[in-house]
Amino acid sequence: ETGVTQTPRHLVMGMTNKKSLKCEQHLGHNAMYWYKQSAKKPLELMFVYSLEERVENNSVPSRFSPECPNSSHLFLHLHTLQPEDSALYLCASSQVGGSGANVLTFGAGSRLTVL
Amino acid sequence: GQNIDQPTEMTATEGAIVQINCTYQTSGFNGLFWYQQHAGEAPTFLSYNVLDGLEEKGRFSSFLSRSKGYSYLLLKELQMKDSASYLCAVMDSNYQLIWGAGTKLIIKP
Repeated sequence: ETGVTQTPRHLVMGMTNKKSLKCEQHLGHNAMYWYKQSAKKPLELMFVYSLEERVENNSVPSRFSPECPNSSHLFLHLHTLQPEDSALYLCASSQVGGSGANVLTFGAGSRLTVL
Repeated sequence: GQNIDQPTEMTATEGAIVQINCTYQTSGFNGLFWYQQHAGEAPTFLSYNVLDGLEEKGRFSSFLSRSKGYSYLLLKELQMKDSASYLCAVMDSNYQLIWGAGTKLIIKP
């Protein structure tokens, strides 16, 4: 496995379900991100784990809960979601610090549909 | 507030040249990125500009004018595989990435 892998690629859930999205990076990066991508809208940063410190976007509803057990794995736990949460959820990683640009490497995303 | 503007959709012909513009208003500037995203796939990094001028990478070039808050991505010798969305993003003074909504490029034979 190389790059950033996300599972599942597609998820359909009811509003009362609990599910989790998983992300794994094989690049040795020290930062990982969750983004929400909705049609014709800019990417919305949800959560960042950088150098093992969580940076939270305060506008993210509590029904989304991130978990980063180590520098290679990132989860997004979902519960009691709303239909408007239907979107593509992208995971990304990068190497923070050092010289050069902070280039993100993205996974292919998890397409979430909330019924 | 912070804002990135880019056209929603553009159409071009195979073999031609297309320029995708991006204008930005951000709190500070620490670089501008272009990413390409094919439908159903991950965004992939194309270019990074932090100084004014043109950066060329094969068929793709990216230009930056910091004084004008303006960048463009130039794609030459268009191929059908260049059909994708192109995302512009600016890193602000807090090193946060501000994203545009993306430009969907359609290539016609």
